[in-house]
Amino acid sequence: DGGITQSPKYLFRKEGQNVTLSCEQNLNHDAMYWYRQDPGQGLRLIYYSQIVNDFQKGDIAEGYSVSREKKESFPLTVTSAQKNPTAFYLCASSLPGQEVSNYGYTFGSGTRLTVV
Amino acid sequence: AQSVTQLGSHVSVSEGALVLLRCNYSSSVPPYLFWYVQYPNQGLQLLLKYTTGATLVKGINGFEAEFKKSETSFHLTKPSAHMSDAAEYFCAVSPYGGATNKLIFGTGTLLAVQP
Repeated sequence: DGGITQSPKYLFRKEGQNVTLSCEQNLNHDAMYWYRQDPGQGLRLIYYSQIVNDFQKGDIAEGYSVSREKKESFPLTVTSAQKNPTAFYLCASSLPGQEVSNYGYTFGSGTRLTVV
Repeated sequence: AQSVTQLGSHVSVSEGALVLLRCNYSSSVPPYLFWYVQYPNQGLQLLLKYTTGATLVKGINGFEAEFKKSETSFHLTKPSAHMSDAAEYFCAVSPYGGATNKLIFGTGTLLAVQP
């Protein structure tokens, strides 16, 4: 079955370390997205990519970086510059362009990052 | 600009009671509307969507929503709440034909179901 896999489910890191969250999809979706979720704040867009080798900053990109070298993969790196990295991170994918309106997003199961 | 407002960040109902979660949108182009559900420590799952056609949309787990253009609303309802409905619910809009093809999410409503 097609879907999105985020790994690991739980991640612990020491303050000041960079950490990379994995997101892989086999839905043949062109577009992929990273969201951060904090209690009471809904979903905040970090980065998105509409096509391989291209990506754009979302609303809260500072302290994060991404790459999109393959259609299936969109890893997110949380750098030491991110002041409050502890959060729940969600990856999503969608068909391109206006098809988002018809089908919406498919989400992964999330990664909970805790920085100590 | 498009936006989504979910009234009530927390809603509590008794088991068997009506569930009503409110969503209002602002869109300068015909909106396509979605409801997602999120169980604890999980991703979001599509409940239902309105694209075109019938304004009353039925989704999974007995939920339905009605698109009311005159009220710019897309409220989610379920006649009888079950304990398993306890989750967070997100309304989202995709402004078809608009400047962006990203979904715009509301801030979510946490539904508690009391026994």
